[in-house]
Amino acid sequence: ELKVEQNPLFLSMQEGKNYTIYCNYSTTSDRLYWYRQDPGKSLESLFVLLSNGAVKQEGRLMASLDTKARLSTLHITAAVHDLSATYFCAALTLGNEKLTFGTGTRLTIIP
Amino acid sequence: EPEVTQTPSHQVTQMGQEVILRCVPISNHLYFYWYRQILGQKVEFLVSFYNNEISEKSEIFDDQFSVERPDGSNFTLKIRSTKLEDSAMYFCASIGGQLNEKLFFGSGTQLSVL
Repeated sequence: ELKVEQNPLFLSMQEGKNYTIYCNYSTTSDRLYWYRQDPGKSLESLFVLLSNGAVKQEGRLMASLDTKARLSTLHITAAVHDLSATYFCAALTLGNEKLTFGTGTRLTIIP
Repeated sequence: EPEVTQTPSHQVTQMGQEVILRCVPISNHLYFYWYRQILGQKVEFLVSFYNNEISEKSEIFDDQFSVERPDGSNFTLKIRSTKLEDSAMYFCASIGGQLNEKLFFGSGTQLSVL
């Protein structure tokens, strides 16, 4: 069964700093997703990564995928307060289309 | 951008009562899902639905749960006899099925069982 782990679970960082969230998954996966969730809100899709070496960037966020290492990263550059949220990675295996979520990383940006 | 809509946004019920959570997926999507999230915890898969039948379900999705797509547009989750531990945010999601597509989530229904 596919398992997805994220670390760290909690991350508190100062504005302007860079940091990386890590997402490991246990078995072969066909797609890797990153979502953002604000408190009490739904899940906002950030990135979909399909293939080994895929890199996508949107603003201060950049996601990458290494399928051989079964690792995805979400890199935050020069953090700003608006990025404070919980970030989830999720892996999906084609065939059953079931998305398995990681534990989430609660990111707090301190002014 | 297209969106998945869910109703109601909040539902309060007494333990043992039946609840129906409603979802309207994006119109040309083929796969539909229910997920739930207990407060402060991760998002858990409940069930996936394709071609008018359940394609996969988790161990959470026991005999008290059922799903239907009664009219080709709505997608419902029924809990027959709610328990306290069913209190959670329930999210509906849909995807078209293409390789590079996003899985779109609805805004959720917060279910509180008293």
